[in-house]
Amino acid sequence: GQNIDQPTEMTATEGAIVQINCTYQTSGFNGLFWYQQHAGEAPTFLSYNVLDGLEEKGRFSSFLSRSKGYSYLLLKELQMKDSASYLCAVRDSNYQLIWGAGTKLIIKP
Amino acid sequence: DTGVSQDPRHKITKRGQNVTFRCDPISEHNRLYWYRQTLGQGPEFLTYFQNEAQLEKSRLLSDRFSAERPKGSFSTLEIQRTEQGDSAMYLCASSLVTGDQETQYFGPGTRLLVL
Repeated sequence: GQNIDQPTEMTATEGAIVQINCTYQTSGFNGLFWYQQHAGEAPTFLSYNVLDGLEEKGRFSSFLSRSKGYSYLLLKELQMKDSASYLCAVRDSNYQLIWGAGTKLIIKP
Repeated sequence: DTGVSQDPRHKITKRGQNVTFRCDPISEHNRLYWYRQTLGQGPEFLTYFQNEAQLEKSRLLSDRFSAERPKGSFSTLEIQRTEQGDSAMYLCASSLVTGDQETQYFGPGTRLLVL
């Protein structure tokens, strides 16, 4: 079967750095997405990785290792507004998105 | 363009009633997806359209669910004879597929409560 694993919940301090990991086992791979979802709202697109390596976008970076079936999302200089769920999704060989359950990130002052 | 829109944002209904939700995608996008999401879970795929053609429907989807995209623009999702287990957030997403590139953009969702 297809599986996306992420930690259920993480806690970090305002101003710090946090890394949210995602491991996947899917039938084929055609890219990995990270989305941010605030409580009660829709997911918003953060990043896309299809090749190995690090993609940086301001305070957010995403890393991919296809050989390890592994990605992480790195958030720097955390702000209270970063409190949200972070969803990892992999596009499989049929170009369908397989979603993780999300990681709830709690930021403390 | 203001992004993907959905209507209504909230719906409360009694068990056994029919409900219909609408999604207006980003205008130039050719794909439209419907998902269902419950608390603490990722989005669950329901169905998707390429222009007006419904290309895939989840095998887990009950026959009570039907979706249309008659002119390849807006889409509707209807749930007949609603059950309490249908209570969830219903999300619509649209995308523009160019070659292998595709990113889905989500609407604000319709939150359904079945009493």
